[in-house]
Amino acid sequence: AQKVTQAQTEISVVEKEDVTLDCVYETRDTTYYLFWYKQPPSGELVFLIRRNSFDEQNEISGRYSWNFQKSTSSFNFTITASQVVDSAVYFCALSEAGYGGGYQKVTFGIGTKLQVIP
Amino acid sequence: EPEVTQTPSHQVTQMGQEVILRCVPISNHLYFYWYRQILGQKVEFLVSFYNNEISEKSEIFDDQFSVERPDGSNFTLKIRSTKLEDSAMYFCASSPLVAKNIQYFGAGTRLSVL
Repeated sequence: AQKVTQAQTEISVVEKEDVTLDCVYETRDTTYYLFWYKQPPSGELVFLIRRNSFDEQNEISGRYSWNFQKSTSSFNFTITASQVVDSAVYFCALSEAGYGGGYQKVTFGIGTKLQVIP
Repeated sequence: EPEVTQTPSHQVTQMGQEVILRCVPISNHLYFYWYRQILGQKVEFLVSFYNNEISEKSEIFDDQFSVERPDGSNFTLKIRSTKLEDSAMYFCASSPLVAKNIQYFGAGTRLSVL
């Protein structure tokens, strides 16, 4: 069974600080996808990144970076020089590739609420 | 970029009423999903749909729920007799044949049951 754990339920940082959101996952599959989504107060899910299990390269996109470590089953997300607009709930998620069928549900973590204080 | 469209963005209904939440998946996608997020909680899988039938459903998806693809573009979630605890954000998602695990989410419909 797949499981995603986000141990930090709420984080507060002062603007311009760096912040890392932790994500640990469990899966029996060797092929899987990991995701991060942002949910602002308006409620929609904003896709941030998708990473497959065979690609352990870290990724940077502007102020965002992701650290994928299979050895520790972690997929952490860092925001550099945080801004007030980064305030949101951030969800880590996992989808197993499975065999045939074609449908594989996404399992979400409980989310980390990030508050960036001006 | 193509996107999944959900209507309405907010639906208010009385307890016991039937509601239909509508979704227009991305046009060449073949797999469709509904997820639910009760306020302040995580997003939970409800059901997946492929080839005009349910592929998988969670224990949340009981007899009060049904899904349908009534035409070539819409994908609907019906709740027959709404309960207060059905109040939540409902997200539709779709994925293409060649990348089944990459699900594209709609902006959600907020359902408020009074």
